[in-house]
Amino acid sequence: DIQMTQSPSTLSASVGDRVTITCRASQTISTWLAWYQQKPGKAPKLLIYKASSLESGVPSRFSGSGSGTEFTLTISGLQPDDFATYYCQQYNGYSRTFGQGTRVEIK
Amino acid sequence: EVQLVESGGGLVQPGGSLRLSCAASGFTFGSYEMNWVRQAPGKGLEWLSYISSGGNADSVKGRLTISRDNAKNSLSLQMNSLRAEDTAVYYCARRVLDGPFDIWGQGTMVTVSS
Repeated sequence: DIQMTQSPSTLSASVGDRVTITCRASQTISTWLAWYQQKPGKAPKLLIYKASSLESGVPSRFSGSGSGTEFTLTISGLQPDDFATYYCQQYNGYSRTFGQGTRVEIK
Repeated sequence: EVQLVESGGGLVQPGGSLRLSCAASGFTFGSYEMNWVRQAPGKGLEWLSYISSGGNADSVKGRLTISRDNAKNSLSLQMNSLRAEDTAVYYCARRVLDGPFDIWGQGTMVTVSS
């Protein structure tokens, strides 16, 4: 099974900061990677798919990059609404595993 | 409106069984792969199982059986021999073709406790 490892687990940042979250796959997944945002008590929301494609309606301050086994999610200019937990997910082949999550909290 | 609504959660004793349902509306249900994902309290997301539009299924948990009824726009998850560690919010999610999960339900809580 493909394992996904996110870092850091928790990130403290201020409004306006540029934030980067990393996700590593245990084997190559090309660009079959998505990023989700989840707020407490809510379902996850799709932000990025195919590693770098922005889902419709998602603000352009969110961006994704990477291929193979290393991926990043960047938030350029953190907004109050962005404090949440972020998950990567690989969807290569028959498995669809998630990373363990990165909580972005207010500094 | 495209929507998924889960139901069937609740309190169940260890060793018991539960069947979760997910009602789909606003889209052609039979054209999409569907998935179940769970989240234990305070923990991350765990992908459980998928079923293709044609009914081919795969699961990472042997006690879980996923099924669908395209005529009724309905997805199900049969859970047997439940354990305390199965306590979680269970989400159903739609997968776009060869892509990520774009639509999620609101989740249904399952608590396994005596």
